[in-house]
Amino acid sequence: DAEITQSPRHKITETGRQVTLACHQTWNHNNMFWYRQDLGHGLRLIHYSYGVQDTNKGEVSDGYSVSRSNTEDLPLTLESAASSQTSVYFCASGTSGLLNTGELFFGEGSRLTVL
Amino acid sequence: SQKIEQNSEALNIQEGKTATLTCNYTNYSPAYLQWYRQDPGRGPVFLLLIRENEKEKRKERLKVTFDTTLKQSLFHITASQAADSATYLCALEYTDKLIFGTGTRLQVFP
Repeated sequence: DAEITQSPRHKITETGRQVTLACHQTWNHNNMFWYRQDLGHGLRLIHYSYGVQDTNKGEVSDGYSVSRSNTEDLPLTLESAASSQTSVYFCASGTSGLLNTGELFFGEGSRLTVL
Repeated sequence: SQKIEQNSEALNIQEGKTATLTCNYTNYSPAYLQWYRQDPGRGPVFLLLIRENEKEKRKERLKVTFDTTLKQSLFHITASQAADSATYLCALEYTDKLIFGTGTRLQVFP
């Protein structure tokens, strides 16, 4: 069965370190998204991609970057981790652009703690 | 900017009753709105989508309404079961992005 997987599921790091969260989907979806979820804020969009070599900033993109070298993967990199980036991160993929309709398929999340 | 409001307080309801969750938004008229379910420690799972030109959508025990005049969507679960206990998120399209509400936690008790 097709799926979307995130790794690691849990990570503890120190302030200033670079961290990369992996996201891999086997749905063959063109569109992939990264959200963070915090109490009181809900899911907030960090970055998204509509295809290979395409990346776009979401509402909370500062301090994060993504790259899309193939259809299956959209890794999220925190260049220099900060305590404010402690959160649960969700990757999602979908079949159509956000201007269209189409459900998002979410991974199980990566819980990141920055000390 | 777009703002989505869902009741942050948990909704407690007895099994067999109908649960009604509310999603209000401001400043924009989205082309569509979606509802997701999220269990603790898991990612959200898509439930239903309703477009701006649709008043109501049904799927099994679920019903969603969309009132663009009131800028509100209602999400109903009829004949609630304990297994329906979860957090329910509404999400709407806004300038090429999908914006999520904070979610409402539903607790169904015997």
